[in-house]
Amino acid sequence: RKEVEQDPGPFNVPEGATVAFNCTYSNSASQSFFWYRQDCRKEPKLLMSVYSSGNEDGRFTAQLNRASQYISLLIRDSKLSDSATYLCVSSLSGGYNKLIFGAGTRLAVHP
Amino acid sequence: DVKVTQSSRYLVKRTGEKVFLECVQDMDHENMFWYRQDPGLGLRLIYFSYDVKMKEKGDIPEGYSVSREKKERFSLILESASTNQTSMYLCASVDRGLGGYTFGSGTRLTVV
Repeated sequence: RKEVEQDPGPFNVPEGATVAFNCTYSNSASQSFFWYRQDCRKEPKLLMSVYSSGNEDGRFTAQLNRASQYISLLIRDSKLSDSATYLCVSSLSGGYNKLIFGAGTRLAVHP
Repeated sequence: DVKVTQSSRYLVKRTGEKVFLECVQDMDHENMFWYRQDPGLGLRLIYFSYDVKMKEKGDIPEGYSVSREKKERFSLILESASTNQTSMYLCASVDRGLGGYTFGSGTRLTVV
């Protein structure tokens, strides 16, 4: 079983739609969580951290449910420029800060 | 902004060659990582380093070695390149503690 599992998609949505991605992690010792965005043939870039209380950054909202070991990302009012692969990421506690990446969910926003 | 620089964007090497992939970061980060990324498999950790001359195996270290002689530089070495090492290689760095990585722009390696 993969440590971080995501629906690979693709999610095909029209501009302006709201889309939600879900992710589960298997290691209950995971301490930190992130969403990364990766454009085609580019490196991953940090989109946002995920906090237990939930956090919002403009059109993006991330939620963490530690009891269910579940992380989500909600994108409101989708733009064409949101088309990318979204990677769910967890980190174990400890000084090495080793991140575990999900395989990613592909989003395609169309006009 | 932290910058992580990988020496080559594209490389083509022959089977059996020794290949060096270089990564340099400019923010004095302790921790550096090498991943490979393949379709459907996501990012898989090859090796990481938490200090100069220190290294730890990741999930798929076979066929690779690393070198960290200076804090800012972390090199990945393919001792004898094979076709199954054709992949996108990504270097990342992060400071101690809990935080997101900064990635280099990647090296797309093709072994023929």
